[in-house]
Amino acid sequence: AQTVTQSQPEMSVQEAETVTLSCTYDTSESDYYLFWYKQPPSRQMILVIRQEAYKQQNATENRFSVNFQKAAKSFSLKISDSQLGDAAMYFCAYTSNNAGNMLTFGGGTRLMVKP
Amino acid sequence: DAMVIQNPRYQVTQFGKPVTLSCSQTLNHNVMYWYQQKSSQAPKLLFHYYDKDFNNEADTPDNFQSRRPNTSFCFLDIRSPGLGDAAMYLCATSRGQPAYEQYFGPGTRLTVT
Repeated sequence: AQTVTQSQPEMSVQEAETVTLSCTYDTSESDYYLFWYKQPPSRQMILVIRQEAYKQQNATENRFSVNFQKAAKSFSLKISDSQLGDAAMYFCAYTSNNAGNMLTFGGGTRLMVKP
Repeated sequence: DAMVIQNPRYQVTQFGKPVTLSCSQTLNHNVMYWYQQKSSQAPKLLFHYYDKDFNNEADTPDNFQSRRPNTSFCFLDIRSPGLGDAAMYLCATSRGQPAYEQYFGPGTRLTVT
């Protein structure tokens, strides 16, 4: 079974600085998809960024980028120029063509942004 | 603009009193999901519908049931809520292909007294 691990329950960053959230996963599949979801205190979860495993290039969305290391099964999220609005729970998630539309979530990392 | 709508946002029920939570979507997505989320934890999938096909997670208690009368609506019924069922309940939708994201609603916070 696939597992997703986020080893940092909490992280903090100073406003305008850069922070990296870690995620590792375990799978025997070669074709899969990875996501970072953000859940602010208001609780609506939104997609931050996605990565297809077959793509070697790391995904980037404005201030958010990933470091996808397929061999190491690592998928970290880098947030540049952190803003107060980035404070939230961040969940790493995995799915694949064989997963039946299911996401496997990591345990989450709570990010605090200090002004 | 709202794409996944959940009503009510807050629900208080008494121990053992049946309660229904509702979810609607304007995205015309094939798949609808119900998750239970407890404080500071990842969402836990209860069940999902792919069109009209119902899929129950193996560890979802029998106390939880769901209905999807049409593409747009999905309901979560808790037949006899216990104190342990107090949680945030999230509805999500997707196009049914793994490459596509799930869209989440704002959630219903259930309190059991």
